[in-house]
Amino acid sequence: QKEVEQNSGPLSVPEGAIASLNCTYSDRGSQSFFWYRQYSGKSPELIMFIYSNGDKEDGRFTAQLNKASQYVSLLIRDSQPSDSATYLCAVFPDSWGKLQFGAGTQVVVTP
Amino acid sequence: NAGVTQTPKFRILKIGQSMTLQCTQDMNHNYMYWYRQDPGMGLKLIYYSVGAGITDKGEVPNGYNVSRSTTEDFPLRLELAAPSQTSVYFCASMTVTIFRDYNEQFFGPGTRLTVL
Repeated sequence: QKEVEQNSGPLSVPEGAIASLNCTYSDRGSQSFFWYRQYSGKSPELIMFIYSNGDKEDGRFTAQLNKASQYVSLLIRDSQPSDSATYLCAVFPDSWGKLQFGAGTQVVVTP
Repeated sequence: NAGVTQTPKFRILKIGQSMTLQCTQDMNHNYMYWYRQDPGMGLKLIYYSVGAGITDKGEVPNGYNVSRSTTEDFPLRLELAAPSQTSVYFCASMTVTIFRDYNEQFFGPGTRLTVL
């Protein structure tokens, strides 16, 4: 089992709709969780960081964490064509230092 | 404040050659990472460091070596390059509080390596 798993894409979302991305992780002791956006040919950019159960909102982005079920999700509200990118989930497990990524989900926002 | 810098941006190696990918950060971050990203795939952790003098293996360390003699620099050494090492290599740095309730994190622009 992979340590960090994401929905395989691509995820096609109409402009203005909500994009929902999911990520599950295997290490129950994981403490911190990250969502990155990566445009084609560019380096990843951190967009959300969450460490407490519940929701965290930042602009059009909402991260949701459920440690009991070992999943973290990202919602993108009012999706725009500029949101078309690959979204990577990463987990900072209990062991110090390792930051491990999922394979990513490509989001395509269609006008 | 330049963030995370990586050199070179592009490189073509012949099979069996060696090279060092440079990574420098000027933010006094304690954690540094090397990842590789193959086309259409996620990031695979090669090596990481939690501070000067401390390094550890990630998921795919074979064929690579690292050192961390200073807080700022974290070079990645490829010995005996193989076609399977053709990839984009990203360096990242991060600072994390003891309670892991805050972090600042940046990626470098990447190095595109082709081994022929």
